[in-house]
Amino acid sequence: KQEVTQIPAALSVPEGENLVLNCSFTDSAIYNLQWFRQDPGKGLTSLLLIQSSQREQTSGRLNASLDKSSGRSTLYIAASQPGDSATYLCAVPPRSNSGYALNFGKGTSLLVTP
Amino acid sequence: GAVVSQHPSWVICKSGTSVKIECRSLDFQATTMFWYRQFPKQSLMLMATSNEGSKATYEQGVEKDKFLINHASLTLSTLTVTSAHPEDSSFYICSARGNFEFGNEQFFGPGTRLTVL
Repeated sequence: KQEVTQIPAALSVPEGENLVLNCSFTDSAIYNLQWFRQDPGKGLTSLLLIQSSQREQTSGRLNASLDKSSGRSTLYIAASQPGDSATYLCAVPPRSNSGYALNFGKGTSLLVTP
Repeated sequence: GAVVSQHPSWVICKSGTSVKIECRSLDFQATTMFWYRQFPKQSLMLMATSNEGSKATYEQGVEKDKFLINHASLTLSTLTVTSAHPEDSSFYICSARGNFEFGNEQFFGPGTRLTVL
């Protein structure tokens, strides 16, 4: 079964800093990888989707990279803002074709202080 | 991106009652929907895969007779928690898989907070 690990579990940074969130997965045969944001008590907001054939995706201040061979993805947030405070989840489908259900990491809880 | 809604957003019920949660894809057809459960400070765990017009596939450890799933149309899946107990209190989130134009991306609903007294 695909296992997803996220490091660090929690992160606190002052406003304006650039930061990197890490995600690793055990089975490199993935279809794609998604990064989500979850605010407390809320659902998920999709941030970036990287297809297995891609190496990175960018959206605004966010950049996600994918290295399938090493089983790693990083989410880079530039010029962090207090509004970026949330839990960030990384998710990949399992190796087997189970209809693209996602395996989630436990997330990185980010706090950006003014 | 595509939009998925859930109803209700939160529900409080007495132990032993049943609760139905709806998941709708608003602007696309979803042949497959997924139901996840999230306990406090934990990640999302897949409960079941719901395919339109067929029986749901449940993950190991999830009781199919307790968590009834119906996917009667391409835009609606329902999860019914039967005879709910306090340990069923959780955050239930559904997702719908878009068709090819969405790159098989999954779109998530806003979640339903269930509290069983």
